[in-house]
Amino acid sequence: NAGVTQTPKFRILKIGQSMTLQCTQDMNHNYMYWYRQDPGMGLKLIYYSVGAGITDKGEVPNGYNVSRSTTEDFPLRLELAAPSQTSVYFCASSYPKGLAGGETQYFGPGTRLLVL
Amino acid sequence: AQSVAQPEDQVNVAEGNPLTVKCTYSVSGNPYLFWYVQYPNRGLQFLLKYITGDNLVKGSYGFEAEFNKSQTSFHLKKPSALVSDSALYFCAVRDMKGGSQGNLIFGKGTKLSVKP
Repeated sequence: NAGVTQTPKFRILKIGQSMTLQCTQDMNHNYMYWYRQDPGMGLKLIYYSVGAGITDKGEVPNGYNVSRSTTEDFPLRLELAAPSQTSVYFCASSYPKGLAGGETQYFGPGTRLLVL
Repeated sequence: AQSVAQPEDQVNVAEGNPLTVKCTYSVSGNPYLFWYVQYPNRGLQFLLKYITGDNLVKGSYGFEAEFNKSQTSFHLKKPSALVSDSALYFCAVRDMKGGSQGNLIFGKGTKLSVKP
């Protein structure tokens, strides 16, 4: 298994441009997540999905959109890039254990985005 | 509000000495607690978790963590540090808010530096 893969690894955007960060997992996980990591701030949840066709907002969703048309893919869309979106973006996935909880999240290698 | 605190931005340890990385939490109900490690330019890797049972949890790479309910803590420990343990360590707690679907709330991270 490749696990969770993300593309691109690094991207520079100009203010106002748009782009899609790709995320794919081959573990047949139902749950997928997008986080952003800023220095000294830990990880903040942007959006998550509990299955194909179902997405929901996390803590910091403004300026982003997601879709989940398949179990494997969970792309993150930036429509109008702003300098505040300069960050490292991580995708993660997990297999739900229902009320028992405690599912481990598996992370991709990250996408470093610079908005100038 | 549910939260995780890592009071130390950085921990410095000499190789061979024991290490402790601190974490305290605030959640309603019984917590599900996690430790992740991030090596430079990499995604997060799961180390260990506490769901229920024995308060001392053993994980990958010789790490362990002790759940202390009275002190609401989940400190990460290792008896003998290695230079290769140098990395960024994140404590996380499962969001127990209804409908959160296993989302994790992360601390800000603690940078561990192990010197030879």
